[in-house]
Amino acid sequence: NAGVTQTPKFQVLKTGQSMTLQCAQDMNHNSMYWYRQDPGMGLRLIYYSASEGTTDKGEVPNGYNVSRLNKREFSLRLESAAPSQTSVYFCASSWAVVNYGYTFGSGTRLTVV
Amino acid sequence: QKEVEQNSGPLSVPEGAIASLNCTYSDRGSQSFFWYRQYSGKSPELIMSIYSNGDKEDGRFTAQLNKASQYVSLLIRDSQPSDSATYLCAPSNAGNNRKLIWGLGTSLAVNP
Repeated sequence: NAGVTQTPKFQVLKTGQSMTLQCAQDMNHNSMYWYRQDPGMGLRLIYYSASEGTTDKGEVPNGYNVSRLNKREFSLRLESAAPSQTSVYFCASSWAVVNYGYTFGSGTRLTVV
Repeated sequence: QKEVEQNSGPLSVPEGAIASLNCTYSDRGSQSFFWYRQYSGKSPELIMSIYSNGDKEDGRFTAQLNKASQYVSLLIRDSQPSDSATYLCAPSNAGNNRKLIWGLGTSLAVNP
């Protein structure tokens, strides 16, 4: 039972480059989320998908796009990376947040130079 | 006022002692409350959930909820060095029950 799988685990980008962070869950969860975590800032929601076919902005969506490819997969794209996007990115999923909370992936450490 | 407030710590306790972690929240409509543990360099891991006023015990962990005071706490009995981590408090969002609201976490150090 893999849970939530994120790839890659580490990435270094140059300013202006693009990349896609991948996330897949095998728990049949309806909702999926992308967070970033920075020292002193805590977990901040970038985008989420309440169910297959829907996506919504979170607190810090600027500079990011998402795709809910199917029920299992939710990707995060940086079109033109900036140093301010250096962070640790976590994907999470949930069947019903109110009852069960989230399950997190292992994270992607992204550095933009 | 922050939506979820936690003492940043570090909270330092000796091995075998009780560690008490506190959290206050501003959203009166929050229905569910979660405690996550995050080891340095790792992802958050759910350790406790609580939905009703009172206490909920699971092994060495006890979660306490007082909705009238908008207060939730986590007690760790017989603290072990392996409990050293950051503990995140996360109430559910009353306006959108598909989201959690996150505190910044309390850093706990258990000293052998």
